[in-house]
Amino acid sequence: EPEVTQTPSHQVTQMGQEVILRCVPISNHLYFYWYRQILGQKVEFLVSFYNNEISEKSEIFDDQFSVERPDGSNFTLKIRSTKLEDSAMYFCASSGTSVSYNEQFFGPGTRLTVL
Amino acid sequence: ILNVEQSPQSLHVQEGDSTNFTCSFPSSNFYALHWYRWETAKSPEALFVMTLNGDEKKKGRISATLNTKEGYSYLYIKGSQPEDSATYLCAYAGGTSYGKLTFGQGTILTVHP
Repeated sequence: EPEVTQTPSHQVTQMGQEVILRCVPISNHLYFYWYRQILGQKVEFLVSFYNNEISEKSEIFDDQFSVERPDGSNFTLKIRSTKLEDSAMYFCASSGTSVSYNEQFFGPGTRLTVL
Repeated sequence: ILNVEQSPQSLHVQEGDSTNFTCSFPSSNFYALHWYRWETAKSPEALFVMTLNGDEKKKGRISATLNTKEGYSYLYIKGSQPEDSATYLCAYAGGTSYGKLTFGQGTILTVHP
């Protein structure tokens, strides 16, 4: 069964460093998302991406964040200069269409720890 | 700010018990309500996507209902098993969203043998 994969499963970095979180969405999906969950808080939306551009982003997704689909398979989230408060579990998701009722398939997450 | 709330926060039941939990969400500009099952260290797994008021969906021992006019959904598990232990998340899609999901805080279910 097709699945969304994410690497690495756990990333530890120093404050101020750049990190790139990688995702391989399901191959025929067109819409891609990043969400995150800070420990003890709700899962929160970061950004959606379609046709090589951002469709929607939250207020969290500031200039420190960027997304890219560098080839036909990977979807990446870059944090340019990490802060302590960026420590969270980051989830990638993909869906076949943009209609909101279409199922989003989630990856297992990357746990980012900023020291 | 959209508010999606789930209750209870956690639930402990005995194997064989039936249980249910609640998700409340904004009733205006509603598109869909998603339910996910999330086991630790695994991907959240989609259970249901519900769109119509009065909708009722079932997957094995798990079922869900939807009331979009009053803004709530119930998830039911009949005859709970230890393997049902997980966090159950609901997520609301609405407004002018392009697929953005707004999640509740989840209900942590523990089923004791």
